[in-house]
Amino acid sequence: DGGITQSPKYLFRKEGQNVTLSCEQNLNHDAMYWYRQDPGQGLRLIYYSQIVNDFQKGDIAEGYSVSREKKESFPLTVTSAQKNPTAFYLCASSSTSGRALQREQYFGPGTRLTVT
Amino acid sequence: GDSVTQMEGPVTLSEEAFLTINCTYTATGYPSLFWYVQYPGEGLQLLLKATKADDKGSNKGFEATYRKETTSFHLEKGSVQVSDSAVYFCALIDAGGTSYGKLTFGQGTILTVHP
Repeated sequence: DGGITQSPKYLFRKEGQNVTLSCEQNLNHDAMYWYRQDPGQGLRLIYYSQIVNDFQKGDIAEGYSVSREKKESFPLTVTSAQKNPTAFYLCASSSTSGRALQREQYFGPGTRLTVT
Repeated sequence: GDSVTQMEGPVTLSEEAFLTINCTYTATGYPSLFWYVQYPGEGLQLLLKATKADDKGSNKGFEATYRKETTSFHLEKGSVQVSDSAVYFCALIDAGGTSYGKLTFGQGTILTVHP
């Protein structure tokens, strides 16, 4: 079955530590995205990548970093510079063919990060 | 910039009740509109979509009609079930000046259905 996997489902870290969240897709999509979800808020875009070895900042990129060395993988690192890292993190992917308006995004199950 | 506004929640209904979740938007271009659903502890799933004015998206008994004149995309279901309990997100893609089509979300509406 094609889809997006994120691991782990729950992650706990001490303040001051960097942590990397995994996202893998086998949908053969060129574009991948990272979102952050906080209670009572919609999703906010952290980073996105439309092609291997290229990525762009989203609305809330400060304190985060990404890499896109393979088409299937788009890991997100939450650095110690992120002031409020505790949140639910969602990865998504989409095709880049056709009109941008038609590019449905497919989401992974998410990783809940708790930093204490 | 683009924005999506959903009705205040949470919404609590009895099984078989009629559901409406309001969604209005502002966009610089001519967007595509989506409803996503998030079940407890899970990621988002696309529920339905509409890409042009007067289009009606439908899936699993849910419907929403793209109303350009009122910039709205309200979600409706005639008879909800306990299994519909989830968070519902209205969203839009407005390609505008971007090449990738940014997805902008509303804040989400929590729906709880009691037996």
